[in-house]
Formats: sequence, structure tokens, C-alpha cells
Amino acid sequence: NAGVTQTPKFQVLKTGQSMTLQCAQDMNHNSMYWYRQDPGMGLRLIYYSASEGTTDKGEVPNGYNVSRLNKREFSLRLESAAPSQTSVYFCASSEGGSTEAFFGQGTRLTVV
Amino acid sequence: GENVEQHPSTLSVQEGDSAVIKCTYSDSASNYFPWYKQELGKRPQLIIDIRSNVGEKKDQRIAVTLNKTAKHFSLHITETQPEDSAVYFCAASKNSGGYQKVTFGTGTKLQVIP
Repeated sequence: NAGVTQTPKFQVLKTGQSMTLQCAQDMNHNSMYWYRQDPGMGLRLIYYSASEGTTDKGEVPNGYNVSRLNKREFSLRLESAAPSQTSVYFCASSEGGSTEAFFGQGTRLTVV
Repeated sequence: GENVEQHPSTLSVQEGDSAVIKCTYSDSASNYFPWYKQELGKRPQLIIDIRSNVGEKKDQRIAVTLNKTAKHFSLHITETQPEDSAVYFCAASKNSGGYQKVTFGTGTKLQVIP
């Protein structure tokens, strides 16, 4: 039982490049989330998917897009990376409702 | 929207002493309050949570208290050990159309000095 798996762990992009962060969970959770973590800012929600087939914007969605490919997978895409998107990105999943969120191991992204 | 404030941002304690981290929230509809521990370079992991119908919950050396009227909740760690050193995040959560809307605090870096 792997839990939540994210790829890649590290990535360096040049300004303007695009990339997709992959996330998969094997806990049969309905809800999935993408957060970014910056020093002193805590975890801020980028996008979420309450259930398969639905996605919605979170607190900081600008510059990102998401796809809920199926119940297991939720990807985050940066179409044109900017230095302000340098951050650590975490994918998470939960059963929904008031329950524990399980996090992936994180992706450290640097945009130069 | 929900606003969660967390204090202090850094906390140093001697091994064996207690540590207290405090959070306030603004949305009275929030009904679930988890605490996550994040060790350096690792993912956040749940250490304890409390629901709005409970005032206090304990799990060995860790306890959480909730005051719904004042909209604040606190994490208490007793007999601290070096392995307690980490960043701790509080969060406030509510159901919103089948989605768990979670707002995190900005984190407290706890250092336990041996």
C-alpha cells in the first residue's frame, strides 16, 4: 500500500517551460488536492477535486491547470513556468468530509 | 473565507519541558481541526485531530484542546524529546458541498534542545 505517490521529486525549469506533476493514490479516496508550500506561508491550496470528474480552484490557482484523470490520478500542469512558482508542491488525498489528509512526498520545483 | 492564525512561528524548549502551540480560526462553520507534523524534507503527517463536538483529546504525550466559543485550539506536547523537533501545522476544516475545505496555519518550527 503506497499511499500517495508524486513524481518527480525534484525539477528545475527555465522560465516559460511547461511541465506536469503527477500524483496517484491507492486508498480509493474521493477527494484529491494540490498544495504549494512556501517559507512562512504554510500550505496553500492550488486546486482540488472533490470527486472523479470534478475540479475546482483553490486559494492560489493562477498559472496552473489540473486534470482528474480517474479516481486514482490527479495531475498539476504549469503551462508557462515563472520564478514565482518556485516552491514545494504536495499532492494529498482524503476520503472527503472531515477526515485525515494523506500527503505525497512532495516535489521541489525551481524555476530559473 | 476561513483565516487560521498560528503562534508562535518558532519555539525552542529544553528536552523534557512542555511545548504549546496556539491557533485561532474565523469561520464558525469549521468543525474539524487536525494537526500535522512535518519533519525536515518530509511530508506532513497527521498527529492528532479534534472535532467540534469535543473539547479535549489526548494521545500519549500529545493533547489538543478546542474552545469553540473563542474559536481557538491548541496543541500541547509534554515531556518533549529531540524527535519532536519539526514544523507543526494546525488546520481548520469544514464540509463545503461534499468537499473538505481545509485552511492551514503558517506553521510553528519546534526545536527541542537536548
